Amino acid sequence: SQTIHQWPATLVQPVGSPLSLECTVEGTSNPNLYWYRQAAGRGLQLLFYSVGIGQISSEVPQNLSASRPQDRQFILSSKKLLLSDSGFYLCAWSGDRYYGYTFGSGTRLTVV
Amino acid sequence: AQKITQTQPGMFVQEKEAVTLDCTYDTSDPSYGLFWYKQPSSGEMIFLIYQGSYDQQNATEGRYSLNFQKARKSANLVISASQLGDSAMYFCAMREVQGAQKLVFGQGTRLTINP
Repeated sequence: SQTIHQWPATLVQPVGSPLSLECTVEGTSNPNLYWYRQAAGRGLQLLFYSVGIGQISSEVPQNLSASRPQDRQFILSSKKLLLSDSGFYLCAWSGDRYYGYTFGSGTRLTVV
Repeated sequence: AQKITQTQPGMFVQEKEAVTLDCTYDTSDPSYGLFWYKQPSSGEMIFLIYQGSYDQQNATEGRYSLNFQKARKSANLVISASQLGDSAMYFCAMREVQGAQKLVFGQGTRLTINP
């Protein structure tokens, strides 16, 4: 069966520090992968998506970047975090057409 | 561009009552998928129900049903016999069928079930 792993679960980082969030998928090949951010009490905003190794599309210009070094690995990064980068970050893969995405468990990032 | 609108920021319902969560959408694509997700306080996204744009019948999954009115571009979620465990955020979403198959979310509705 397909599973998606995302870590860490929580993260507290100072302003100006770097960021690296990792997401890996098991049990499938060549998945479409996505990074979403959710502000407190709000909806999910699509940040990046990837349809293949090295292929990254950005939905919203921002302080973040994404990379896909391997087929089932998706990384969200920042060189210098801002306070506004705080939020709940979710990784997802496209999964089954009739069941929508499969989401990771999320990372709660607090920038202080 | 695709857009999802959920106009109910919060709803309060008595346990065992039925509840309808509203969702309208906008797209120029003839083919699309509509989804509802539940997000409890833990943050996990739980798939509830799917409706394809060409499906003739409304989707049902246990206590969940989707009231799909294509001409009105609405896809309301109906929860029958609500339970305390139904208290959570609920998101309506629409998915592209082609290309990157992006999933676009509404702002969500916070549902609270009162005992």
